Amino acid sequence: GNSVTQMEGPVTLSEEAFLTINCTYTATGYPSLFWYVQYPGEGLQLLLKATKADDKGSNKGFEATYRKETTSFHLEKGSVQVSDSAVYFCALSELRTGGFKTIFGAGTRLFVKA
Amino acid sequence: DTAVSQTPKYLVTQMGNDKSIKCEQNLGHDTMYWYKQDSKKFLKIMFSYNNKELIINETVPNRFSPKSPDKAHLNLHINSLELGDSAVYFCASSQGLGEWDIQYFGAGTRLSVL
Repeated sequence: GNSVTQMEGPVTLSEEAFLTINCTYTATGYPSLFWYVQYPGEGLQLLLKATKADDKGSNKGFEATYRKETTSFHLEKGSVQVSDSAVYFCALSELRTGGFKTIFGAGTRLFVKA
Repeated sequence: DTAVSQTPKYLVTQMGNDKSIKCEQNLGHDTMYWYKQDSKKFLKIMFSYNNKELIINETVPNRFSPKSPDKAHLNLHINSLELGDSAVYFCASSQGLGEWDIQYFGAGTRLSVL
């Protein structure tokens, strides 16, 4: 079946550092790809998405590009803030009987120090 | 107004008890979900409902019984609670089961079985 693999955390950075969280996927076909973020004590919320190869999703300074050749969707941000501290989930849509299902990676926890 | 609300926020109970978690969404969505997040933050789908009809049941023990009285509500009843049921349970909703449908999550219910 389809799956998503993320780099293990936690990732600890100083404020204004560059962030990369790696995500690779295994899938038949070309699924839509997503990054969700979970702030402490809250549910997940969509951060960005890309629906086809070479698409770039972006939001709040975060970016990720759908790379078909390397089956990757790495999350990047040029300058992180303390408020970016959260758990980040890479995900894809998988077609099932009756509709699509979202497959989540294991999550990567990010700590940003002031 | 909270889009996806679930109650209670915390639930502490003894092994063997029966408990329920309620979820309501006011987004007018057709699809609702239950997810289980373990202590390592791994998020796994349990059920999805579309227009009150069960679509996905991810081999969850039959001690777990979801009920959808209408499109806006999806409750989760758990019989004979076990230690391994301790986790955070998230309710979510989406417009439908399409490939690009974004999921909106509740804040979670932290269940502790003693």
